[in-house]
Amino acid sequence: ETGVTQSPTHLIKTRGQQVTLRCSSQSGHNTVSWYQQALGQGPQFIFQYYREEENGRGNFPPRFSGLQFPNYSSELNVNALELDDSALYLCASSLGQPNTEAFFGQGTRLTVV
Amino acid sequence: GESVGLHLPTLSVQEGDNSIINCAYSNSASDYFIWYKQESGKGPQFIIDIRSNMDKRQGQRVTVLLNKTVKHLSLQIAATQPGDSAVYFCAESSTDKLIFGTGTRLQVFP
Repeated sequence: ETGVTQSPTHLIKTRGQQVTLRCSSQSGHNTVSWYQQALGQGPQFIFQYYREEENGRGNFPPRFSGLQFPNYSSELNVNALELDDSALYLCASSLGQPNTEAFFGQGTRLTVV
Repeated sequence: GESVGLHLPTLSVQEGDNSIINCAYSNSASDYFIWYKQESGKGPQFIIDIRSNMDKRQGQRVTVLLNKTVKHLSLQIAATQPGDSAVYFCAESSTDKLIFGTGTRLQVFP
């Protein structure tokens, strides 16, 4: 076990709805990154939070947003859900700057119908 | 469990044999690389990492080789076991993110 926990594990939403996914980082880790993994593909970077600030963003529209809290836990919010948002959403935590070990949670499987 | 990938390159090996999984990366400036193992329905699990100032690193039953000249990584698994069956990803570290390869499915048969 990595110590990174995500909730919920599975979720079904209707197109147009909004969703919030949650992540608790490994103890001592201050950096959280979110990834989207479509079936049959590798994870794609959404964004990263470091000390409560967004520290980098991938090629995702603004309806994907996030937060990091003082305890370094994080949320991923997706508005106006589309069918193509159906994927496994992964949270990874690491300590400090890039180029350190990143540990993943078990993911949240989001299905948009 | 649900399938992680349906059309991934697949490597089939017999239990006890050695496995070699290959990966090409894109950015010659990348200086940190990680191999992950992903089992069905789970998140990627850290296996081993290597920095660009090294060309080989060994762990328990695993070895990662880095060839910066051709931007190539390989993961070698010794004495492959049924529990090694999974999808394996290499990832290169950029300034703020990991860039993942397409993945290889390893199947171990008795």
